[in-house]
Amino acid sequence: AQTVTQSQPEMSVQEAETVTLSCTYDTSESDYYLFWYKQPPSRQMILVIRQEAYKQQNATENRFSVNFQKAAKSFSLKISDSQLGDAAMYFCAYRSAGRQLTFGSGTQLTVLP
Amino acid sequence: DAGVIQSPRHEVTEMGQEVTLRCKPISGHDYLFWYRQTMMRGLELLIYFNNNVPIDDSGMPEDRFSAKMPNASFSTLKIQPSEPRDSAVYFCASRYSGTGVEQYFGPGTRLTVT
Repeated sequence: AQTVTQSQPEMSVQEAETVTLSCTYDTSESDYYLFWYKQPPSRQMILVIRQEAYKQQNATENRFSVNFQKAAKSFSLKISDSQLGDAAMYFCAYRSAGRQLTFGSGTQLTVLP
Repeated sequence: DAGVIQSPRHEVTEMGQEVTLRCKPISGHDYLFWYRQTMMRGLELLIYFNNNVPIDDSGMPEDRFSAKMPNASFSTLKIQPSEPRDSAVYFCASRYSGTGVEQYFGPGTRLTVT
């Protein structure tokens, strides 16, 4: 069974600084997708970024980028120029073809002014 | 475009009562998912539908839970009778299998059973 592990229950970052959230996953599949979702206090689950396993290039969305290491089964999220609005719970998620999302346990990010 | 719509946003009920949660997926999406989120268990997939047909309900905790999708634009999750341990945030999400891989979530329903 696929598992997703987020080993950092909590992280903090100073406003305008950079922070990296870690995620590892376990799979025997070769075709899959990885996602980072953000859940602010409003509890809305918001898709931040996605990565297709067949793509070697790391995905980037504005201040958000990933470091995808397929051989190591690692998928970290880097947030640059952190803003107060980035404070949220961040979930890493995995989905292989024909299956549904598996979520990690989440990392609570605090942004310090 | 409207996102996934859920109602009610908050529900408080007494143990033993029937609770019905509602969801309207994004128009054109052919997959619909129901999740439950608690502090202890995180995000759990309860059931999902494809083209209005239930595909996998192995995550439904027990027979007190049931879900229906009578048409492409509406789904319900019913708990009867409700128990305090059902207190959680319930999310509905939808996805289009054609060109997208992303899954979009509704705002969630916070259920409190006293």
